[in-house]
Amino acid sequence: EVQLVQSGAEVKKSGEPLKISCKGSGYIFTSYWIGWVRQMPGKGLEWMGIIYPGDSETRYSPSFQGQVLVSADRSNNIAYLQWSRLRASDTAMYFCARQGPMKGGAFDIWGQGTMVTVSS
Amino acid sequence: AIRLTQSPSSLSASVGDRVTITCRASQDISNALAWYQHKPGIAPKLLIHSSSRLESGVPSRFSGSGSGADFTLTISSLQPEDFATYYCQQLNTYPRTFGQGTKVETK
Repeated sequence: EVQLVQSGAEVKKSGEPLKISCKGSGYIFTSYWIGWVRQMPGKGLEWMGIIYPGDSETRYSPSFQGQVLVSADRSNNIAYLQWSRLRASDTAMYFCARQGPMKGGAFDIWGQGTMVTVSS
Repeated sequence: AIRLTQSPSSLSASVGDRVTITCRASQDISNALAWYQHKPGIAPKLLIHSSSRLESGVPSRFSGSGSGADFTLTISSLQPEDFATYYCQQLNTYPRTFGQGTKVETK
């Protein structure tokens, strides 16, 4: 079964670093882009950035460039989203998703989401 | 970045109703558009890609159309499990932005 499994919920304080993960299985991990999507409480979906694990090429939304880092460990089929210093405004649900090349580039497989809560 | 504007932002409908949601892009994106269904607490689900191609396993009551800058998602006969928020996403250019969402609520 093709799936993405994300790391568990996190409760952190402002200023702390954080790295959340997304592990792929059931497919060739290095052959598909993995993206990250934010959903703040009561708000819509926001496209953050994406990585191609095969060569670690990344693309970022200007809104998130410099605020987060997207990386991948292709040996272990894991993609990461990390912050060096969290802010209260980073409180949100974060989803990873696979970009399907045969689906016009749409996100065809999604992780279950990781809830990040940042207290000030 | 390409902006996507969905309308309406919310709508009230009954089981059996025909529901139409529109998505307008700020520039020509050809047919590079997807639609997702999102329910609280679970991951979004891909419904349609390439403007009109139904994802495997998605009921045929869902359909998509449009090209250029104007797109439509139609639910031909709303079912109880269809009450959710729907998002369009453009697949033409990075960043691959989403619309603001349309919440379909029970009347």
